[in-house]
Amino acid sequence: NAGVMQNPRHLVRRRGQEARLRCSPMKGHSHVYWYRQLPEEGLKFMVYLQKENIIDESGMPKERFSAEFPKEGPSILRIQQVVRGDSAAYFCASSPPGLPYEQYFGPGTRLTVT
Amino acid sequence: AQSVTQPDIHITVSEGASLELRCNYSYGATPYLFWYVQSPGQGLQLLLKYFSGDTLVQGIKGFEAEFKRSQSSFNLRKPSVHWSDAAEYFCAVAPQEYGNKLVFGAGTILRVKS
Repeated sequence: NAGVMQNPRHLVRRRGQEARLRCSPMKGHSHVYWYRQLPEEGLKFMVYLQKENIIDESGMPKERFSAEFPKEGPSILRIQQVVRGDSAAYFCASSPPGLPYEQYFGPGTRLTVT
Repeated sequence: AQSVTQPDIHITVSEGASLELRCNYSYGATPYLFWYVQSPGQGLQLLLKYFSGDTLVQGIKGFEAEFKRSQSSFNLRKPSVHWSDAAEYFCAVAPQEYGNKLVFGAGTILRVKS
């Protein structure tokens, strides 16, 4: 059973470009969470999704950030017009139905904005 | 303010010595409690979790943690540290009033000297 998969593992973008981060949950998992880890900080919750639904986006910045988890395919975290402050590691986690606290994390995408 | 505190940013122990990493939380009701480990450039791996019941929890890799309600603490312990335990350790809580999101401490970096 493959774990949570994220790609790309490393992403470099220039200021003003768009970043798209992908997350494929573990097989059988229907809940996806995105967290951001700034340098020398712990992870901060961004958004919680189920298939085709955003359940909780209380941690998402109000502008430029969006997330989706379509019926088919991976979850996508999209950052428009990136700025240097967006440089961070972005982690995706998934959990099985009925066990929301059993969160399994992917390896992360390290975004660098130049 | 509601938070998760890991008071030690860095800890260095000798190989074979015992280890205790501290974690305190400040939430009204007892949240669910977790410890994760992150090796450099990697995602987070769940070491152990506490939901209810026995306050001494056994995890993987020889780790254990003890929940103390009176101290709002969930300290991680290992009787004999191995060089491969060098990593960053995160305490996380799932406050009951926060839905399904995890709230992480800032992390403790463990160095093991031979």
